[in-house]
Amino acid sequence: EVQLVQSGAEVKKPGESLKISCKGSGYRFSSYWIGWVRQMPGKGLEWMGIIYPGDSDTRYSPSFQGQVTISVDNSISTAYLQWSSLKASDTAMYYCARQGGDHDFDYWGQGTLVTVSS
Amino acid sequence: DIQMTQSPSSLSASVGDRVTITCRASQGIRNDLGWYQQKPGKAPKRLIYAASSLQSGVPSRFSGSGSGTEFTLTISSLQPEDFATYYCLQHNSLYTFGQGTKLEIK
Repeated sequence: EVQLVQSGAEVKKPGESLKISCKGSGYRFSSYWIGWVRQMPGKGLEWMGIIYPGDSDTRYSPSFQGQVTISVDNSISTAYLQWSSLKASDTAMYYCARQGGDHDFDYWGQGTLVTVSS
Repeated sequence: DIQMTQSPSSLSASVGDRVTITCRASQGIRNDLGWYQQKPGKAPKRLIYAASSLQSGVPSRFSGSGSGTEFTLTISSLQPEDFATYYCLQHNSLYTFGQGTKLEIK
């Protein structure tokens, strides 16, 4: 069974750094792109970026380029989303999702809630 | 960038109604479009892929159509569990979600 399990909720202060994770299981992790999606409170879904674990090829939405870093550790089947300096506006739910054979997102993680507040 | 315009943004309907949601792409995207359902506090769930293919396990009352720039999601007979928010997603050039359609009980 394909599963994506994300790390738990985080509460951080502005200016702090953060790295959240998404662990895949039940499939060959290195062979499928993993994407990240933001959902701000009460708002819609926004695609942030995507990474191919096989070679770490990464693409970012222009809206998020330079704001976050997406990485992967193939040895533990885990993708990451990180911030070097959080802002209050980063408060949101973040989802990881697997890009399936049809090139959209077929499996999703349960989400990680990030709250940034002083 | 490809923009996706989804309409309506909200919709009130009754159990048993037929409803249609539309997404328009700013340029042609072939059939590189999926539809997702999201319930409060839950991750999105794929309903339709490649514009018109039904995801395994999804009830047949859901259907998708379209190609190029105009796409529709139709629910033929609304059930209580269908009240949720729906999103389209284009994956022809990177990814863009539609703004979402909140389907509420009338």
